[in-house]
Amino acid sequence: GIQVEQSPPDLILQEGANSTLRCNFSDSVNNLQWFHQNPWGQLINLFYIPSGTKQNGRLSATTVATERYSLFYISSSQTTDSGVYFCATPRRGGSQGNLIFGKGTKLSVKP
Amino acid sequence: EAQVTQNPRYLITVTGKKLTVTCSQNMNHEYMSWYRQDPGLGLRQIYYSMNVEVTDKGDVPEGYKVSRKEKRNFPLILESPSPNQTSLYFCASSTGLAGPAYEQYFGPGTRLTVT
Repeated sequence: GIQVEQSPPDLILQEGANSTLRCNFSDSVNNLQWFHQNPWGQLINLFYIPSGTKQNGRLSATTVATERYSLFYISSSQTTDSGVYFCATPRRGGSQGNLIFGKGTKLSVKP
Repeated sequence: EAQVTQNPRYLITVTGKKLTVTCSQNMNHEYMSWYRQDPGLGLRQIYYSMNVEVTDKGDVPEGYKVSRKEKRNFPLILESPSPNQTSLYFCASSTGLAGPAYEQYFGPGTRLTVT
């Protein structure tokens, strides 16, 4: 099945800094989502981005499907950005809605 | 506000005592599913439903039941909970499974502890 790898596994930022998170997948994808799991455990939908670039305020994401990767950008980071960031894509075969998640990038933003 | 809701958010129970975790969405979504999240294992799908009265197993269905009698609701039933079902549970929904309709929305999670 498809493999989803995220890097870095851990990231510490000083408030105000910018950073990029990466998601690599082992096969072509036609659906990709980025999620933020906050310190309370809630999974928040950030972007649905099978290809191209999307921006939402300080956050943006780019997926290059032909190169099998997606990038997630945080600019002017804030302490509330802390948590774990996941990318996910559907499993091949079986339930098409069965998302395969990467192991996540744990982000800590220090004041 | 468009959302997926789950109840309860936190639950501590004892082995063998039947429980139900409710899930409801107000977006008229066809597709709904349940995941559990465990340290080191990530998120794994338990059951899913393509529409009313249509359900099927995901990756880890043992010990769980579901039903889809109404489009908006998709409860998760643990008939006889065991400690290995201690986990963080998420309900998810989407309009469909093609193109932008694929985008899935997750509920706030239910943290279950079985002693």
